[in-house]
Amino acid sequence: EAQVTQNPRYLITVTGKKLTVTCSQNMNHEYMSWYRQDPGLGLRQIYYSMNVEVTDKGDVPEGYKVSRKEKRNFPLILESPSPNQTSLYFCASSLGTGGREKLFFGSGTQLSVL
Amino acid sequence: KQEVTQIPAALSVPEGENLVLNCSFTDSAIYNLQWFRQDPGKGLTSLLLIQSSQREQTSGRLNASLDKSSGRSTLYIAASQPGDSATYLCAVKGGLDSSYKLIFGSGTRLLVRP
Repeated sequence: EAQVTQNPRYLITVTGKKLTVTCSQNMNHEYMSWYRQDPGLGLRQIYYSMNVEVTDKGDVPEGYKVSRKEKRNFPLILESPSPNQTSLYFCASSLGTGGREKLFFGSGTQLSVL
Repeated sequence: KQEVTQIPAALSVPEGENLVLNCSFTDSAIYNLQWFRQDPGKGLTSLLLIQSSQREQTSGRLNASLDKSSGRSTLYIAASQPGDSATYLCAVKGGLDSSYKLIFGSGTRLLVRP
């Protein structure tokens, strides 16, 4: 089944403790992206990747890192999480970046930073 | 900077009614516009994608239209059902300073009453 898989589904951590949220897609998609969703602010893009070893900042990249060493994986790294990074995070992928490709989303990771 | 607005923020209708959700955007230089559905606690599912050269797309009871010149899109849902209850988001890709970013509206929360 074609899907975008995020792990973990829920995560509670403390300020400053490094964490990684994994994202994997099995559709051979070139484009992958991370979003955070906050009440009243909607979905905002954190980072995106056009292909292996090609990443770029979205609208809210501060405090986050990403890497794209393999086509299928696009982990989101929080080196020193802070409470303002408490949010619902989504990974998404699409075949390319042209005008025709639909975006497929993972089920989300609810992160709480205490 | 591209901005996407959805009106109304919430809508409650009786089962069987036809309804229209609205999406407007400020920069008409877009690659495409997508409509998504989000169920509580879940990821987003792409419903329809309209390329910049297209005027509308249809899938079952759903019809989405695009008017780039006026910066508007509508999602028409025919013969609504309780199972249609969800949050509907529109997102545009592109805009003069947005390149490959996807900019989301805040969504319309739809409740279809039995």
